[in-house]
Amino acid sequence: EAGVAQSPRYKIIEKRQSVAFWCNPISGHATLYWYQQILGQGPKLLIQFQNNGVVDDSQLPKDRFSAERLKGVDSTLKIQPAKLEDSAVYLCASSVNHLESTEAFFGQGTRLTVV
Amino acid sequence: AQSVAQPEDQVNVAEGNPLTVKCTYSVSGNPYLFWYVQYPNRGLQFLLKYITGDNLVKGSYGFEAEFNKSQTSFHLKKPSALVSDSALYFCAVRDGGATNKLIFGTGTLLAVQP
Repeated sequence: EAGVAQSPRYKIIEKRQSVAFWCNPISGHATLYWYQQILGQGPKLLIQFQNNGVVDDSQLPKDRFSAERLKGVDSTLKIQPAKLEDSAVYLCASSVNHLESTEAFFGQGTRLTVV
Repeated sequence: AQSVAQPEDQVNVAEGNPLTVKCTYSVSGNPYLFWYVQYPNRGLQFLLKYITGDNLVKGSYGFEAEFNKSQTSFHLKKPSALVSDSALYFCAVRDGGATNKLIFGTGTLLAVQP
């Protein structure tokens, strides 16, 4: 079974530029998550999709971050404009559903450096 | 709100010795708890989970975790540590409610010395 695919693996941009990350979840997984992991911290949920609908984006900085999940499969996360504090690893994960007992599977992440 | 705490930033253990990585939880209902491991420049890998039933949960790579309701703990254990176990370990909990967010602790760095 193929895992969660993310691209690019690394990205360096200047502040105020825009950037986009792509995620392809495990086939058949209805729930997709984007997490932000700042160095030395645990992952923080940015947004959670159930199929193609957003079920939680309470910690997404909506003035600069946006995300969509086209046709309930692939997803993109965009930052525009980027700030220095956005430097982090962005992790995509998916799960069969969002029930309590369900584990999530993670991609390798995209390491973003904003200079 | 549901949460997990990992009180140790780092745990050091000699190869061959038993290891324990601690996690405590705070939930308002039934706890659904998870352990993940993160190797350098990699994503998080699922190790094991507690849903209900047996308090000792067995997972991948020889790891197990002990659920203790009275102490609200879910400590990760392994009888004999390997150098290759050196990594960052995260405890997580589903927060219940309509979205069941997966909430992570701050992580514990496990260093196994040869």
